[in-house]
Amino acid sequence: ILNVEQSPQSLHVQEGDSTNFTCSFPSSNFYALHWYRWETAKSPEALFVMTLNGDEKKKGRISATLNTKEGYSYLYIKGSQPEDSATYLCAFFTNNNDMRFGAGTRLTVKP
Amino acid sequence: DVKVTQSSRYLVKRTGEKVFLECVQDMDHENMFWYRQDPGLGLRLIYFSYDVKMKEKGDIPEGYSVSREKKERFSLILESASTNQTSMYLCAAKGVIWNTEAFFGQGTRLTVV
Repeated sequence: ILNVEQSPQSLHVQEGDSTNFTCSFPSSNFYALHWYRWETAKSPEALFVMTLNGDEKKKGRISATLNTKEGYSYLYIKGSQPEDSATYLCAFFTNNNDMRFGAGTRLTVKP
Repeated sequence: DVKVTQSSRYLVKRTGEKVFLECVQDMDHENMFWYRQDPGLGLRLIYFSYDVKMKEKGDIPEGYSVSREKKERFSLILESASTNQTSMYLCAAKGVIWNTEAFFGQGTRLTVV
């Protein structure tokens, strides 16, 4: 079993706080690392697909970094807003065409 | 809009029934996946398929089988439903190009009584 681990499991922050989550994954058979945002009653939606060591991606207040040699990725949210409340999932896509997810980080942003 | 459609949003079945969960995508994607989601455990991979008639076991294939007779359709079959298969089931589709994202269906909440 390919282990993809995320921490923390849950996070409660105040509006305006900046926060970050960690995803760790096996460094072998790496093809891509995905970040998804999953809101209640909706389908997961992609935030970033990252493929190269040292990749940094940004979308508005959300950014992510990737270290394939040591097997981790960080997701950062700057100035959290209540609408950022969701579960954030990372997924590890291998050269065998399989895709494994971590258990997710559940973020709650209080107004 | 790209679409992955699962046949039912909610399903209630009896123990021992054979259950079919259907997933259809309109993106011509090669890879399709079935996951189940349980509290605290995230999305666990049941089976995946990278081409028509091809299937590979994921981490928790026991009690499940799959069928992919056409590229757009990936079916998950519970041969004899049990209460421990009560869960949320998610289907996803992804293109073969390695740096593309996956697209998900809306999920099927299955309850086995």
